[in-house]
Amino acid sequence: DVKVTQSSRYLVKRTGEKVFLECVQDMDHENMFWYRQDPGLGLRLIYFSYDVKMKEKGDIPEGYSVSREKKERFSLILESASTNQTSMYLCASSSPYRAGNTIYFGEGSWLTVV
Amino acid sequence: EDQVTQSPEALRLQEGESSSLNCSYTVSGLRGLFWYRQDPGKGPEFLFTLYSAGEEKEKERLKATLTKKESFLHITAPKPEDSATYLCAVGGGATNKLIFGTGTLLAVQP
Repeated sequence: DVKVTQSSRYLVKRTGEKVFLECVQDMDHENMFWYRQDPGLGLRLIYFSYDVKMKEKGDIPEGYSVSREKKERFSLILESASTNQTSMYLCASSSPYRAGNTIYFGEGSWLTVV
Repeated sequence: EDQVTQSPEALRLQEGESSSLNCSYTVSGLRGLFWYRQDPGKGPEFLFTLYSAGEEKEKERLKATLTKKESFLHITAPKPEDSATYLCAVGGGATNKLIFGTGTLLAVQP
């Protein structure tokens, strides 16, 4: 089975803090994604990566950056956390990127910024 | 504009009462339609991928079908443990990315 593991399930951070969300996948997938999910807005793509050290902006990249130094690991960075970044963050991975390939999700990280 | 719409937003069923969830889409060059189940506080769990009109897939009490404009997720004789949010996503379109619907919240009462 595909396993996507997010290191932190629940985090509480203060406004202005730098926040790291870590994700590891064990299926040798080339593609990895970060989404955020908010009530009424559905899943929105923040960034995705199709190879080590490669990244592309998704629909809502403002306020976020990403790092992919190893194939299995994809990190989401909030440079200066703000209260409007309180959300559930979902990491996902898939085989070489074509939209027809299934994306598998992690369990999610609940971030509260106070 | 590429779009995915799910209906109804919420559905309450009695145990054993079969029904269907709808996912309608407008996207050029469909490359796959995906169904996920999401339990509260957890990440989406993959259920099915459909690639072409006429295709059907089944898993236990769930059956997914696909036409050129929509997909249905049929739930036969549901049980309380089928209660969850069901998400539909479409791959393809102008950006070749996944476009998600906002989900149907299903509650099955014993």
